[in-house]
Amino acid sequence: GAVVSQHPSRVICKSGTSVKIECRSLDFQATTMFWYRQFPKQSLMLMATSNEGSKATYEQGVEKDKFLINHASLTLSTLTVTSAHPEDSSFYICSARIAGGIYEQYFGPGTRLTVT
Amino acid sequence: SQQGEEDPQALSIQEGENATMNCSYKTSINNLQWYRQNSGRGLVHLILIRSNEREKHSGRLRVTLDTSKKSSSLLITASRAADTASYFCATEETSGSRLTFGEGTQLTVNP
Repeated sequence: GAVVSQHPSRVICKSGTSVKIECRSLDFQATTMFWYRQFPKQSLMLMATSNEGSKATYEQGVEKDKFLINHASLTLSTLTVTSAHPEDSSFYICSARIAGGIYEQYFGPGTRLTVT
Repeated sequence: SQQGEEDPQALSIQEGENATMNCSYKTSINNLQWYRQNSGRGLVHLILIRSNEREKHSGRLRVTLDTSKKSSSLLITASRAADTASYFCATEETSGSRLTFGEGTQLTVNP
């Protein structure tokens, strides 16, 4: 149980375009989802916390107008990278916490974004 | 900046040997978690230790937590080539539910 999927797994886009990444909890409801970014050979950096039905909370230094997060249901959160630039190329990972759960986060397989 | 610092950054051992990775953090925590990540893949949750626990076991994994020193260690016994991966500690601070990840240790187990 507790499977989180991400779609797409890889995406290549041109500079200036927007890309949407989906994060789904497949077999549980998640009131809270988290979005992380990971650059090569580096650790995960939390970008934002997404709560179902409310606005996301962004970490310091993360542009909320550039990284749009929508958590429209208990099983789906989306991250849209707007006006993408090559420096946005990264591995984006989401995680989800079970509704009513206390500690554990379940991570998706990640999405590799390459902006050309 | 990352709360957690891990050492070593990289560790290379032979199959059958034990691997020990360390993690230090700075703030008060609810719990500390260890994750594994194979290259280019998502994270797999290994083990969680609460702030009031000192040691925990799961299969070949042993985790210790010393809140007075703000440090934790992950021991993998009888390592296998399939254990080759990056290992991250992550702390959940008392101030909220967000996880802060350490820099990670790249473990290579040579067959």
